[in-house]
Amino acid sequence: QKEVEQNSGPLSVPEGAIASLNCTYSDRGSQSFFWYRQYSGKSPELIMFIYSNGDKEDGRFTAQLNKASQYVSLLIRDSQPSDSATYLCAVNRAGGGNKLTFGTGTQLKVEL
Amino acid sequence: GAVVSQHPSRVICKSGTSVKIECRSLDFQATTMFWYRQFPKQSLMLMATSNEGSKATYEQGVEKDKFLINHASLTLSTLTVTSAHPEDSSFYICSARGTGTNEQYFGPGTRLTVT
Repeated sequence: QKEVEQNSGPLSVPEGAIASLNCTYSDRGSQSFFWYRQYSGKSPELIMFIYSNGDKEDGRFTAQLNKASQYVSLLIRDSQPSDSATYLCAVNRAGGGNKLTFGTGTQLKVEL
Repeated sequence: GAVVSQHPSRVICKSGTSVKIECRSLDFQATTMFWYRQFPKQSLMLMATSNEGSKATYEQGVEKDKFLINHASLTLSTLTVTSAHPEDSSFYICSARGTGTNEQYFGPGTRLTVT
């Protein structure tokens, strides 16, 4: 079982729809959770982080964390073509120091 | 805030030469910096973790004598790829974490091509 799992996609959504990106992790002691956006040929950009169970909203983005289910998700409302990118889920595992473990990413395509 | 720069953005070198890549945190002090490598269509692979003033910690399988890391100040870390070979061609990305935070902010990356 991979430490951080994501569906590679591509996930296609129409412009204006809600995109839902999911991530599961194996280490129950994980403490910090991050979503990065990576455009092709570019480096990752931090868009959300969440440390507590529940929802955290920032503009069009909402991160959801359920530690009991070992599940973290990212919702993007009113999806725009500029949101088309690969979204990486990253987890700071317990006992992992400050290192992040990344999923392989989900490719999102927002279609006109 | 939380801006990280890398230099150079792109470098082409001949096999056998060494290349130095700089990573700077521009508006915060980076207690810890990380170096990653990413091959096409693959995810990020952590190479090493460096804390200011101490030796870097390398991930399993990463040759510390080939990838020299120096973190001499709270705003600068360098990665030197020694005796580079074509298989070292990759996208090298640094990230930085500030004091008392968990978030890592990435630099724009350096694309290395070894001919």
